[in-house]
Amino acid sequence: DQQVKQNSPSLSVQEGRISILNCDYTNSMFDYFLWYKKYPAEGPTFLISISSIKDKNEDGRFTVFLNKSAKHLSLHIVPSQPGDSAVYFCAASDPYAGNMLTFGGGTRLMVKP
Amino acid sequence: NAGVTQTPKFQVLKTGQSMTLQCAQDMNHNSMYWYRQDPGMGLRLIYYSASEGTTDKGEVPNGYNVSRLNKREFSLRLESAAPSQTSVYFCASSEGTGLSFAFFGQGTRLTVV
Repeated sequence: DQQVKQNSPSLSVQEGRISILNCDYTNSMFDYFLWYKKYPAEGPTFLISISSIKDKNEDGRFTVFLNKSAKHLSLHIVPSQPGDSAVYFCAASDPYAGNMLTFGGGTRLMVKP
Repeated sequence: NAGVTQTPKFQVLKTGQSMTLQCAQDMNHNSMYWYRQDPGMGLRLIYYSASEGTTDKGEVPNGYNVSRLNKREFSLRLESAAPSQTSVYFCASSEGTGLSFAFFGQGTRLTVV
């Protein structure tokens, strides 16, 4: 059973608007969460992270929100740009499992000009 | 800056054949990982090496073996390839075992026929 789920396989957004990518998890032991971005034929690249002691982390156009009680995190991209079109993976780290990362299935974001 | 380098980029194997995927990193990272990516499944950890001389099983280790040859290199071996091992394989490295983000290689697309 997947401990990290991204329920939307794809998302289409108009350029300039907000993109919201969602991620749910079941393991309450996860203490660190990351978002990775992946372009076709490339490896994933780190985008932004958040510790479980925070509820928000911002880096330029990217903001990650964490709701621990709901076991939910989201990535907001504002404003969205065509170059943001990629697959986004959320990942979570379990300190009781050697800090191994568990990844969600990914969401393909398409930003239309 | 090479970062994480994987070879080969593409490979086609017949069922029962063996092969080794090579990975090298030049960032002096302690930890290295092998993941496989399948549609809708995200990235699943096969094996990891928290430091030179140690290796541990991840989520999906069956059918694979690994060798941490030195601090730079971490290889993944398929002794007897099966069609279920058709996937995209990613090697990654990080300073620690999760709280630091990981750098990924470009991937190896493996097809077993």
